[in-house]
Parts: sequence; C-alpha cells; structure tokens
Amino acid sequence: GQSLEQPSEVTAVEGAIVQINCTYQTSGFYGLSWYQQHDGGAPTFLSYNGLDGLEETGRFSSFLSRSDSYGYLLLQELQMKDSASYFCAVRDGVIKAAGNKLTFGGGTRVLVKP
Amino acid sequence: NAGVTQNPKFQVLKTGQSMTLQCAQDMNHNSMYWYRQDPGMGLRLIYYSASEGTTDKGEVPNGYNVSRLNKREFSLRLESAAPSQTSVYFCASSDQGRGTYGYTFGSGTRLTVV
Repeated sequence: GQSLEQPSEVTAVEGAIVQINCTYQTSGFYGLSWYQQHDGGAPTFLSYNGLDGLEETGRFSSFLSRSDSYGYLLLQELQMKDSASYFCAVRDGVIKAAGNKLTFGGGTRVLVKP
Repeated sequence: NAGVTQNPKFQVLKTGQSMTLQCAQDMNHNSMYWYRQDPGMGLRLIYYSASEGTTDKGEVPNGYNVSRLNKREFSLRLESAAPSQTSVYFCASSDQGRGTYGYTFGSGTRLTVV
C-alpha cells in the first residue's frame, strides 16, 4: 500500500524558517509534490521534485532524496499568510497509464505567530 | 479563465438520496480527479480519468460512480448517500508532461448526509 508520513503540526514565529519533512513508502515513485491549503479553501500547488535535489521557488524550497524515500518543504521568512496546511503527495504511476494520479499525506498544519 | 468549476458548493442530503457532483475545467487538461477530504485529514482519491474516455478507481471508490462526459467535464455520482460520505469533495485536473505536474483544484463541494 501507499504510506506518506509528515508531522501533524508545526508552530513558528514570523520571520522564522520551518522545515516540513515527508517520508513515503509507495509501490511506485515518479515524483513528490507539495500543496498548500488555507482553512476552508482548496489546495494549491507549490512545487514538484522529480529528481533528487533542491527546487527553489521564492521563499519556498523543496528537496527530494529518492534513495532515502524522503523529502521536505522549507518555508523561509515566514509570514502570517503562510499559516495553512501543507501536504506532500507522491505520483506513483506512469503518466500515460495513470495520468498524474497522486497519493497525499495527512498534512502538516503550520501556525505562524506574531 | 475560470480553471476548475464545481457545483454545487454546498449540499445536504438525506440518507439514501442520490446526487451528482459536477466538475468542469477550461484548461484543456487531459486528466481529471475526484478526491474527498474529511476533517483534519489529507485527500483520498475516489476516481480518476487519465484521459477522455477512461476512468479508474482510486483508493476509496465504494459508493460512487463517475462519468467523463467529454474532455472538459467529469462528474461524480452518489447513488445512495450514507452518513459516512459526509465530506468535502474536490475535483482537480492536470496536464500531462510539459514539465509541470501540478493539479488545479476546484473550490470544493461541502456535502452533509443526515
């Protein structure tokens, strides 16, 4: 079966750095994605790692190590608006056969305090 | 450019009633998905359509059916609603390849079954 583990909650102050870890056990692996979801809203796509290494998008970075079945999302210069839930998701199928089918982790709730 | 549109946004059903959740995307994406999200949890895949004319079961398909009506539209049907189907339902679409694998989500349908 598919299994993704991430911490349930993280609290930090404005301006700080937060790292959200994600470990996965899946039958297939074709990439790790991260999504942000504010309370009452829809998830929005943040980043994708298909290969090992670091991807940087503004204040957010995402890292993948396929040999360790591990990735993380790094949130820098935290702002109040970053208070949200963050989900890692694994693409576990070949696109032609399975589209971009994702299995999501349970989410990490990030609370940013002044 | 509306992205992914879901209707209705809210619905209350009585146990045993049926309903269809509508989803349409205007981004010419090949793949579409239906997920459910229970309070404080991640998203679980109900059904997906990798391309027009194909549909496949996800992690939690029991009690649901889908129709990929055309490339734009992907509907989810509950034949006989049960309280366990109380959830928020998200439709999403994605392109295949082109260097990006992010989903675009609709705003969700909040369904309560009493």
